[in-house]
Amino acid sequence: AQSVTQLGSHVSVSEGALVLLRCNYSSSVPPYLFWYVQYPNQGLQLLLKYTSAATLVKGINGFEAEFKKSETSFHLTKPSAHMSDAAEYFCAVSEPPPTDKLIFGTGTRLQVFP
Amino acid sequence: DTGVSQNPRHKITKRGQNVTFRCDPISEHNRLYWYRQTLGQGPEFLTYFQNEAQLEKSRLLSDRFSAERPKGSFSTLEIQRTEQGDSAMYLCASRGTTEAFFGQGTRLTVV
Repeated sequence: AQSVTQLGSHVSVSEGALVLLRCNYSSSVPPYLFWYVQYPNQGLQLLLKYTSAATLVKGINGFEAEFKKSETSFHLTKPSAHMSDAAEYFCAVSEPPPTDKLIFGTGTRLQVFP
Repeated sequence: DTGVSQNPRHKITKRGQNVTFRCDPISEHNRLYWYRQTLGQGPEFLTYFQNEAQLEKSRLLSDRFSAERPKGSFSTLEIQRTEQGDSAMYLCASRGTTEAFFGQGTRLTVV
C-alpha cells in the first residue's frame, strides 16, 4: 500500500530563509508524487509533481523537490521564503491506475516571519 | 474553463438533517474524486467515478453517504442524518492525464 509521512507538523522560517519541508514515501510500485499547497478555507493547489522523469522537479512560486529513491524521500525546498508562502503543504502519493487516488500526508504548516 | 467548482462553499446544518453538495469538474476530465478533510489532517479519499460509474468507495463512506454522477458530468454527495462527526471540508477533484485539480471545497458544520 502507498503512504507518505511528513516530518514536522509546523515549520517556521524568517523571510528570505531557506524553506525545507520533508516527505518520505512508501510505495510498492514506482511512485507518482505530488506537493499541494492549501491556503485557509481554500482547496488544494498543485505545486509540483514527479512522474518518473527528471528527479529534480521545479514547480510554481519558486518551489522545487528532489526525488531520492535510495532515501524514499521527496522533500520540498525554496531558496528564499516569502511572506505569501505561509500556508499548509501536503505531500501525496498516487495509487496505481486505474484508481489513481491520492494518499496524503498529514500536512506541514509553514509560518514565515518578517 | 474555470476549473473545478463546488457548491455551496459553506453549509451549517442541524444534527439529523440531510445535506447535499455539488461538484462540477473540468469538462474534459472523466475521473472525479471526493475527499474529506478534517481539521489538522490531510484529505482522505471517499469515492471515485470514471464517467458515471462509481468504481471505488472508502470504508469512510458509511451507508449514510451516497454519491452520484449522472451522465458523467457533475457529481453530488449526499449525507443523510448528519452527525457532528461529519463536520469537515469536503473536497472534489477531477483528474486529467497525470494530475488532479481540486475545487475550493465545501465546509460542513453540524451543530
